[in-house]
Amino acid sequence: GAVVSQHPSWVICKSGTSVKIECRSLDFQATTMFWYRQFPKQSLMLMATSNEGSKATYEQGVEKDKFLINHASLTLSTLTVTSAHPEDSSFYICSASFPGIHEQYFGPGTRLTVT
Amino acid sequence: GDSVTQMEGPVTLSEEAFLTINCTYTATGYPSLFWYVQYPGEGLQLLLKATKADDKGSNKGFEATYRKETTSFHLEKGSVQVSDSAVYFCASSPKGGNKLTFGTGTQLKVEL
Repeated sequence: GAVVSQHPSWVICKSGTSVKIECRSLDFQATTMFWYRQFPKQSLMLMATSNEGSKATYEQGVEKDKFLINHASLTLSTLTVTSAHPEDSSFYICSASFPGIHEQYFGPGTRLTVT
Repeated sequence: GDSVTQMEGPVTLSEEAFLTINCTYTATGYPSLFWYVQYPGEGLQLLLKATKADDKGSNKGFEATYRKETTSFHLEKGSVQVSDSAVYFCASSPKGGNKLTFGTGTQLKVEL
């Protein structure tokens, strides 16, 4: 149980375009979803926390107009990287949790390459 | 703010060797502590956790004890296998919260 999927697993896009990454909880209702960014050989950096039906809370230094997060349902959150640039190339990971359980369930990640 | 420091890798061991991956934390109060494992091409999986001082988390032969005095949560395994090759992340979250702070990860490679 507690499976989280991400789509796509990898994506290549041209500089200036936007790309959307989906995060789905497959067998539970996720009231809270988290988006992380992972650089090579570095830790996961929390970008934002989203609760279903409300605006995401962004961490300091993360541009909310560039990284648009939508958590429209209890099983789906999306991260849209707008006007992507090569420096946005990274591994993006989502996780999900549900009430009363102080544990996060992680998706497999999405590799974004901006050319 | 909260932070987690873990030993840098990569760590290369022979099969059946003893493993220790050090992890220390700084936090306000008494956080919950976690070890996550990331196998190649997969997402992070919770390996074990401890929620209060002196608790020992264990799973799949791995153990870690929550040491308040030394603010540590070192991961140990008595005899590693090739299948344990992965990246291991130490993490903390505040009491009652679910926001995680991760260490940088330690890559473990186990050879025959």
